[in-house]
Amino acid sequence: AQSVSQHNHHVILSEAASLELGCNYSYGGTVNLFWYVQYPGQHLQLLLKYFSGDPLVKGIKGFEAEFIKSKFSFNLRKPSVQWSDTAEYFCAVNAALSFQKLVFGTGTRLLVSP
Amino acid sequence: SAVISQKPSRDICQRGTSLTIQCQVDSQVTMMFWYRQQPGQSLTLIATANQGSEATYESGFVIDKFPISRPNLTFSTLTVSNMSPEDSSIYLCSVEDDGYTFGSGTRLTVV
Repeated sequence: AQSVSQHNHHVILSEAASLELGCNYSYGGTVNLFWYVQYPGQHLQLLLKYFSGDPLVKGIKGFEAEFIKSKFSFNLRKPSVQWSDTAEYFCAVNAALSFQKLVFGTGTRLLVSP
Repeated sequence: SAVISQKPSRDICQRGTSLTIQCQVDSQVTMMFWYRQQPGQSLTLIATANQGSEATYESGFVIDKFPISRPNLTFSTLTVSNMSPEDSSIYLCSVEDDGYTFGSGTRLTVV
């Protein structure tokens, strides 16, 4: 069965620091990859997604992620975080032939201090 | 992208009772998904609901506890039956929509 690992459970950064959140998945076949963000008190929003093509994907709010197939990774990055990026971030995977269901990682809580 | 209306947004229920959560989508979709997000945890898929057939449940979830209806291509309900405090969670519906759109969730507290 497919699984998703997010190794950073809590991350604390100062404004303007660079961000990288790790995401690894376990599935040998074709996958679609997603990053979602959940701001305090709000519902899940899609940050970016990868289906195929350029492995470097750009999303909203200055976020990007790179799919490295050989490492089964899809790390999320942002060169300079803002206080408003304080949220929980979820990596998710949808494997081909899995009837389109999403499997989520455990999430990373990011706190950006002003 | 699709717009999902989910209700109620929150409820406080007595143990032993049931709550039905509704999810309305503004476009026709083949599959709808129901997730649970327990306090401080990630999202876990409960079941996948197809119109015209029985829902497919994930390991650890059963139809008697979480019956699902899917009467048409824009609507689904999830019932949390015979509730206990352990059912206190956020319940979300989702549709596959070029990236999966989620409803705003139902925050359920069982007392």
